[in-house]
Amino acid sequence: AQKVTQAQTEISVVEKEDVTLDCVYETRDTTYYLFWYKQPPSGELVFLIRRNSFDEQNEISGRYSWNFQKSTSSFNFTITASQVVDSAVYFCALSGDSGGFKTIFGAGTRLFVKA
Amino acid sequence: DAGVIQSPRHEVTEMGQEVTLRCKPISGHNSLFWYRQTMMRGLELLIYFNNNVPIDDSGMPEDRFSAKMPNASFSTLKIQPSEPRDSAVYFCASSFHGSDTQYFGPGTRLTVL
Repeated sequence: AQKVTQAQTEISVVEKEDVTLDCVYETRDTTYYLFWYKQPPSGELVFLIRRNSFDEQNEISGRYSWNFQKSTSSFNFTITASQVVDSAVYFCALSGDSGGFKTIFGAGTRLFVKA
Repeated sequence: DAGVIQSPRHEVTEMGQEVTLRCKPISGHNSLFWYRQTMMRGLELLIYFNNNVPIDDSGMPEDRFSAKMPNASFSTLKIQPSEPRDSAVYFCASSFHGSDTQYFGPGTRLTVL
């Protein structure tokens, strides 16, 4: 069975702090994909990143960075120098070939960034 | 290019009424997904289509829910009869293929009184 765990329900930081959102996944597939989505207060779901299971390179995009470690089945997301506009719910998701590539979402982590 | 389009954005109806939600996927995308989001259950996949064919409807809660995709550019999710516990935000998403990145529509907020 496939599973995504985001153990942090809510995180609160002060602007300019760095923050890491944890994501742990379970799958027996060798081919799978991991995603992060952002859901701001306006409600839409915004795609942030997709990573396949054969690419463990970390990725940086501006203030955002992702750390993929197969050894610990984790795909953590770090925001550097957080800003108020980063306040949102962040979802980690997994899709794998055994599930017909059905995407399983974690419960989400709500991030509050205070000015 | 336009993103995924959903209508209506908000729907308020009374218990027992039929509700139809609509979705237009991104042009060229072959897979379409319907999700439901509630505080209690989070984001749940209801059904997904590949090339207009339903592939997995195991997430559809019960027979009151049905979904169709008559062509590559249109899908509907129907609830008949609606119940208060169906109140949620319903998202439609599309992707090139099942494993590709899904792009979400703005959602339909459904309230059943």
